Amino acid sequence: KQEVTQIPAALSVPEGENLVLNCSFTDSAIYNLQWFRQDPGKGLTSLLLIQSSQREQTSGRLNASLDKSSGRSTLYIAASQPGDSATYLCAVIMDSNYQLIWGAGTKLIIKP
Amino acid sequence: DARVTQTPRHKVTEMGQEVTMRCQPILGHNTVFWYRQTMMQGLELLAYFRNRAPLDDSGMPKDRFSAEMPDATLATLKIQPSEPRDSAVYFCASGLVRVSTDTQYFGPGTRLTVL
Repeated sequence: KQEVTQIPAALSVPEGENLVLNCSFTDSAIYNLQWFRQDPGKGLTSLLLIQSSQREQTSGRLNASLDKSSGRSTLYIAASQPGDSATYLCAVIMDSNYQLIWGAGTKLIIKP
Repeated sequence: DARVTQTPRHKVTEMGQEVTMRCQPILGHNTVFWYRQTMMQGLELLAYFRNRAPLDDSGMPKDRFSAEMPDATLATLKIQPSEPRDSAVYFCASGLVRVSTDTQYFGPGTRLTVL
């Protein structure tokens, strides 16, 4: 059974720092991996989707990497801003039915 | 700006009452998902539909939960009878799942409190 773990559970850093959020999964036979952002009291917004054949995806200050063989993904946030404060969730997709298996999330606080 | 809408946004009810949550997926999307989020369990997939047909509802307690898509513009999740342990935020998401880069779009959620 696939299990997704995110470390750390919470992170607080000063504005301007570069930071890395980690996601690991136990079954490397994934279809895709996706990073989401969740703001308090709101739904989830997709940030980056990495296909199993890809190594990384970039969007603005965000870069997500994928190492299937080791069962790991990282989300790199450059030059963090207070507006980046949110919970970041990692989810793996096991097949083309697109069922997401979720990590518990990392709650990120960026201090001005 | 197309969005997934959910109603109600908040619901407080007493144990034993029936609860119905509604979702309007983005027009043209062929897949609808229902998730539940709690502090203890995180996000869990309850059920999902493709072209209005249920594909998987194994995440749902069958004795009290039911999910339907009466038409392409409406998905419902019903709990009868509700219990305090059902208190959670219920999210609906929709997507046009055709290729491997398609994503899901989430609604704002229904926060359910069962007393």
